[in-house]
Amino acid sequence: QVQLQESGPGLVTPSETLSLTCTVSGVSITSSSYYWGWIRQPPGKGLDWTGSFYYNGSPYYNPSLKSRVTISVDTSKNQFSLKLTSVTAADTAFYFCARGRRGDPFDIWGQGTMVTVSS
Amino acid sequence: DIQMTQSPSTLSASVGDRVTITCRASQSISSWLAWYQQKPGKAPKLLIYKASSLESGVPSRFSGSGSGTEFTLTISSLQPDDFATYYCQQYNSYWAFGQGTKVEIK
Repeated sequence: QVQLQESGPGLVTPSETLSLTCTVSGVSITSSSYYWGWIRQPPGKGLDWTGSFYYNGSPYYNPSLKSRVTISVDTSKNQFSLKLTSVTAADTAFYFCARGRRGDPFDIWGQGTMVTVSS
Repeated sequence: DIQMTQSPSTLSASVGDRVTITCRASQSISSWLAWYQQKPGKAPKLLIYKASSLESGVPSRFSGSGSGTEFTLTISSLQPDDFATYYCQQYNSYWAFGQGTKVEIK
């Protein structure tokens, strides 16, 4: 059974860096059959794609965030991570990690984690 | 960037109603369109992919159609479990979501 679990601080200070990790179980993130991504959702608002990657490929980032976002991979732990720099209150959101089948949309999602940007 | 626009933003309906939600893309995305259902406090659930393919385990009362720039999600007979927010998503060029359609009880 494939599962994804987000983890990281629930509170981040403005201008600092938001760091989250997605731990994947039941499938290897190195599989060429899938891609992985981050999606965020401000409270009470819609879904906003943040970034995605295929293992062994370059990551794709939302152009609106491109200068602030980085996705990295730790294959030894079967994890991938999100870093978002210079955060403001506008980055307060639920952050989901998700898996997609190659050529298809996200089919399996983590439960999400709430991150609040506040001093 | 490809922009996705859903209509309506909110829809009031009764159990048993036929419900249709529309999604428009700012440029052609062929059939690279998905539909998700999201309930409060939960992650989105994939319903439809490639515009009209039903995800495994999803009830057959859900169907999708369209290609190019106009797409629809139809629920043939609304059930109590279907009151939720629905999102379309294009995956033709990067990924982008519509703003959502909330289906509420009339």
